[in-house]
Amino acid sequence: ELKVEQNPLFLSMQEGKNYTIYCNYSTTSDRLYWYRQDPGKSLESLFVLLSNGAVKQEGRLMASLDTKARLSTLHITAAVHDLSATYFCAVDEAAGNKLTFGGGTRVLVKP
Amino acid sequence: DADVTQTPRNRITKTGKRIMLECSQTKGHDRMYWYRQDPGLGLRLIYYSFDVKDINKGEISDGYSVSRQAQAKFSLSLESAIPNQTALYFCATSDFSGVGNEQFFGPGTRLTVL
Repeated sequence: ELKVEQNPLFLSMQEGKNYTIYCNYSTTSDRLYWYRQDPGKSLESLFVLLSNGAVKQEGRLMASLDTKARLSTLHITAAVHDLSATYFCAVDEAAGNKLTFGGGTRVLVKP
Repeated sequence: DADVTQTPRNRITKTGKRIMLECSQTKGHDRMYWYRQDPGLGLRLIYYSFDVKDINKGEISDGYSVSRQAQAKFSLSLESAIPNQTALYFCATSDFSGVGNEQFFGPGTRLTVL
């Protein structure tokens, strides 16, 4: 059974500083997704990582995938208040398009 | 207009009642999913469908049933609602032929079972 773990579960950030969210998963996969969820809202797709070594960047966010280590990271550069949200990673175990989600990392960026 | 819509957006019901949540999409995707989200937790898959005549159980299908009436419509039913089914429910779609097969989510239905 695929298990996906994120850490930390909660991250209090200071504006302007850099932080990393980690996503570990338990079985082989080369498809990993990052989503953002604002309170009371739906999930917004951030990144799709489809191979070992994949790196995607959008604004202050950068995601990477190491399939050998079964690890993905979401790096936040120079945090700003607008990045406050909950971030989820999700893994597609056998490219069957059936996702298993991590528990989420709640991010709060303080001035 | 939103590509993935869910109705109702909020519902309060009583234990033992039958409830149907509906999902429609205009994205033309073949695959549709129902997830449940509990406070502080990630999403868990309830049922999924890869085509009109295809229905598959997910991680937590007990107490739920689904119907794929058309490519664009996927309904989730709670035959006899119980309080621990109180949660936020999301519908999602994906396109098998799309790059990455990423899933796109509806706005969610907040269900409360008293």
